[in-house]
Amino acid sequence: AQKITQTQPGMFVQEKEAVTLDCTYDTSDPSYGLFWYKQPSSGEMIFLIYQGSYDQQNATEGRYSLNFQKARKSANLVISASQLGDSAMYFCAMRDITNTGNQFYFGTGTSLTVIP
Amino acid sequence: DTGVSQNPRHKITKRGQNVTFRCDPISEHNRLYWYRQTLGQGPEFLTYFQNEAQLEKSRLLSDRFSAERPKGSFSTLEIQRTEQGDSAMYLCASSPKRLAGVTDTQYFGPGTRLTVL
Repeated sequence: AQKITQTQPGMFVQEKEAVTLDCTYDTSDPSYGLFWYKQPSSGEMIFLIYQGSYDQQNATEGRYSLNFQKARKSANLVISASQLGDSAMYFCAMRDITNTGNQFYFGTGTSLTVIP
Repeated sequence: DTGVSQNPRHKITKRGQNVTFRCDPISEHNRLYWYRQTLGQGPEFLTYFQNEAQLEKSRLLSDRFSAERPKGSFSTLEIQRTEQGDSAMYLCASSPKRLAGVTDTQYFGPGTRLTVL
C-alpha cells in the first residue's frame, strides 16, 4: 500500500487566495513525522513545514499551515495569500520508525499554478 | 552558501558508460541520503549513510549502483553500465544527528539530472 497519497495532480489558485493541498498517509507506527516540500522547476526540494504525530497543535510556518487530522490520517497543506512564486510541485512526505526508520516516503506530488 | 551541493547538475551519457555524482552535505550534518526521482513521481529512497557507514540500501539500488562516503563528509554515487532506465534526477539530502524521535528534517541539494542516450 502507498505510504503517502496525494490525489490532486494539479491545482490552480488565484493570486492572494488560499489553497489546500491534500495528503493522506498510511502507517501503523504511533510515532511518525509528516513533512511538506516545495520543488520549483529548478529541481531543488525546499523544506516547508513539519508535523509530528504527537504534536497537539497544527504546525504553522509563515503562510504555510498544516491541517493535521490524525484520526483521518490526513496532513493537508494550506497556503494562505498565494503568490506567483508559489507555483511549483509540492510533495508530502512521511518518516516513521518502523523498519529502518530513516527514509522518507514521498507522494507523487501536486503541481500548483498561481494565476495572476 | 551552506546548503547541500551536488555536482554535476546535469550529465548526459551514452548507454553502457559509467557515471559518478558527488554530494557535499551541510557541514555539521552526519546523515546523508540519496534519492532518485523520475518524471511525474516523488523522490524514491536509494541509500543512507550515517557518518561513513552505509546503513540502508533500497531494493532499487541494483548491483550497478554503488555509493560511498569515505570520510563521513562528501558522498559519491556511481552507476556502472548505465541504461536508459537510469535517466532520472538524483537527489542528495542531509540531516543532523538525530537526538530523539522523528524530527530530523532532510535538506536537499539541487540534484543531478542524468540523461542516458
